[in-house]
Amino acid sequence: DIQMTQSLSTLSASVGDRVTITCRASQSISSWLAWYQQKPGKAPKLLIYKASSLESGVPSRFSGSGSGTEFTLTISSLQPDDFATYYCQQYNSYSWTFGQGTKVEIK
Amino acid sequence: EVQLVESGGGLVKPGGSLRLSCAASGFTFSSYSMNWVRQAPGKGLEWVSSISSSSSYIYYADSVKGRFTISRDNAKNSLYLQMNSLRAEDTAVYYCARVAYCGGDCLSQFDYWGQGTLVTVSS
Repeated sequence: DIQMTQSLSTLSASVGDRVTITCRASQSISSWLAWYQQKPGKAPKLLIYKASSLESGVPSRFSGSGSGTEFTLTISSLQPDDFATYYCQQYNSYSWTFGQGTKVEIK
Repeated sequence: EVQLVESGGGLVKPGGSLRLSCAASGFTFSSYSMNWVRQAPGKGLEWVSSISSSSSYIYYADSVKGRFTISRDNAKNSLYLQMNSLRAEDTAVYYCARVAYCGGDCLSQFDYWGQGTLVTVSS
C-alpha cells in the first residue's frame, strides 16, 4: 500500500499568516492527491483535488501544488474559520490512503 | 442537494455484528462509486471499503478484509456495510463518501461525505 506522511501533526499560526502543510507519498502518485479539511465533530470537506484543482465553493486562499511524491497545501492568509485539521489522500491505487493529519491551531 | 445519511451505529460486544446503512439523495446514486471511511476517536481517517456503481468492483482495507462486506441497492439509493467479528479496534465513526464522477468506475477524490455514525465495540 502507498503510505502518506504529513510531517507536522500540529502547526501553530496566527490569523493572516501564510500556512504551508506538506504531504509525502511513499511512491509516485502522479497528481492523484486530494486535501480535506475537518473540524471537530464534522465530516471532512474536500478542498483540493488532482493536487492543485480547487473544489467548487472553496475560497481561493487555499491552493495546492506538487506531483510525484511531494505535495503542499497552502493557505495564503489564515482566517479564523481555517483552524481545523487537514488531511491529504492519495487515489492512485484501489487502496485509498490518508495522511495522519495536520492540526492548524491558534498561536 | 446531495445528501448522505448514515445509520445503524451503536454499541456491540466484541465478536458481534452490525449493519450500517447510508441513504443517498440529490444525485443519481447508480452512477457513482461509493466508499466507507472510518475515524477512531481522536485519530485520523482510514479508508475501509469501496464499491463501484454497479457493484462489479469491490475493495477492502486489509484491516477489515474477511470480516466486513460492502453492498449497495441502487433501486433504494442505499449503501451498506455488514460488519462481523467486530473488535475493539473497529470502534470509530463510520462515514459514507461519494467518489467524484470521473467518467466511469475509476479512481477519484471523495466529494461528498455523510455526517457519520458511531460504532462502539466494547464488552
